[in-house]
This record gives sequence, structure tokens and C-alpha cells, in this order.
Amino acid sequence: DAGVIQSPRHEVTEMGQEVTLRCKPISGHNSLFWYRQTMMRGLELLIYFNNNVPIDDSGMPEDRFSAKMPNASFSTLKIQPSEPRDSAVYFCASSLDTSGGQGVKTQYFGPGTRLLVL
Amino acid sequence: GQNIDQPTEMTATEGAIVQINCTYQTSGFNGLFWYQQHAGEAPTFLSYNVLDGLEEKGRFSSFLSRSKGYSYLLLKELQMKDSASYLCAVRARSSGGYNKLIFGAGTRLAVHP
Repeated sequence: DAGVIQSPRHEVTEMGQEVTLRCKPISGHNSLFWYRQTMMRGLELLIYFNNNVPIDDSGMPEDRFSAKMPNASFSTLKIQPSEPRDSAVYFCASSLDTSGGQGVKTQYFGPGTRLLVL
Repeated sequence: GQNIDQPTEMTATEGAIVQINCTYQTSGFNGLFWYQQHAGEAPTFLSYNVLDGLEEKGRFSSFLSRSKGYSYLLLKELQMKDSASYLCAVRARSSGGYNKLIFGAGTRLAVHP
């Protein structure tokens, strides 16, 4: 079975450019999570979708970040404009939640996108 | 607030046993996970505890004491491939009524011959 798929795996861009990260969750999973990982701050939850609806976006750093989930098999995380401090590894994870957002189960992580903003 | 503490680094010898501790202070505690993350890779699920006690899974065991806000991950018969970061993650219920995972900074374990 295919796991969580993320693209691109690596992204190098210049400050001010728009960056779009993509994620395909595991088929049948109904919860999707975007995380950011840095040496300084560890693994931080950015936003959490359940049944394509954003449940918690309190971790989104600022208005430059936006995320969408137009259907059950696809999500995007966009940074516009990007800044050097956005350099990090961005992970997408999915899980099967049978309790309407109440029961976060084991999360399965994608390989991550390594973003470098120059 | 939410706070999760685990040691930054540990070293151990191949074949030995190592215990990685995690203490937490969270509101709405609703379970604790351990994840393994090799350098440059994604975290992978190791164990889940929601009730007090020990959960054993092969060479890995995880313990939880809810009253003490304490968990540990026990790795037996260490192998070189166990060199990785081990992330403690608490599942907490928010004021909005939904659960989410809050990760600790991770413990980097180095296994040497």
C-alpha cells in the first residue's frame, strides 16, 4: 500500500517567492496534518483537517501560510511570500479518525519536503 | 499550558538496554505516543499508551503513569539501527473538544559497538 505522498521532496527558492507543498494522504484516512520541523523548535503542528474541514489552524505562523484540502485525497500548504526563517522540513501526516475529530489515532507521516529559502 | 520534557541525547552500547524518559504537563491528556525518527527520515509510530502500565512490543516497551505525568520507552537488545531520535507525543483534548498531538523535542540515541 502506498503511504503518505509528498511533493516536492526538496525545494530551494528565493525570499519572496511563492512555495506550494503538496500531500496525498493514505487512501481511506480522513484526518490530515501539516507539521513543520526545525532543530530549534522541533516538530510543530501547523494545521489539522478532518473530513476535508480545517479543525485547528492555531499553529499556522502567520497570514503568509495557507492550507487547503479540496478533496479527501489532496492537500496543499502554501507560503506566500516565503522568508528565510521558513526553511524547515514540512511533514504531512494522515490518520483514520472514527470519532469526528475526537479520536486522533496513530498518524502516518510522509517523507517530508525539505524547504530552503535563500 | 503544554510542556513535554525528554533528554536531548543518550548513548548506549550495542546489546544493552536503554530507557528514555518523558515527563509531561498537559491539560486534557488523552494518551501518549512514541515515535522513532532516523536522520533525514519521517517519524514512524512505535507505541501508544492510554492506560497506566507497560505495553510490550518485541524489543520495545512503553510505560505510562498518568498520575505522575511520566512515560518511558525501553529498548532491549540494542542494535546499531536503533540509533535515531525518539519523540514522545502527548494526545491532548483542546477546548474545542478535538484531540491533537503535541510532540516533545526528541531524544537522540546513539548506539555504539
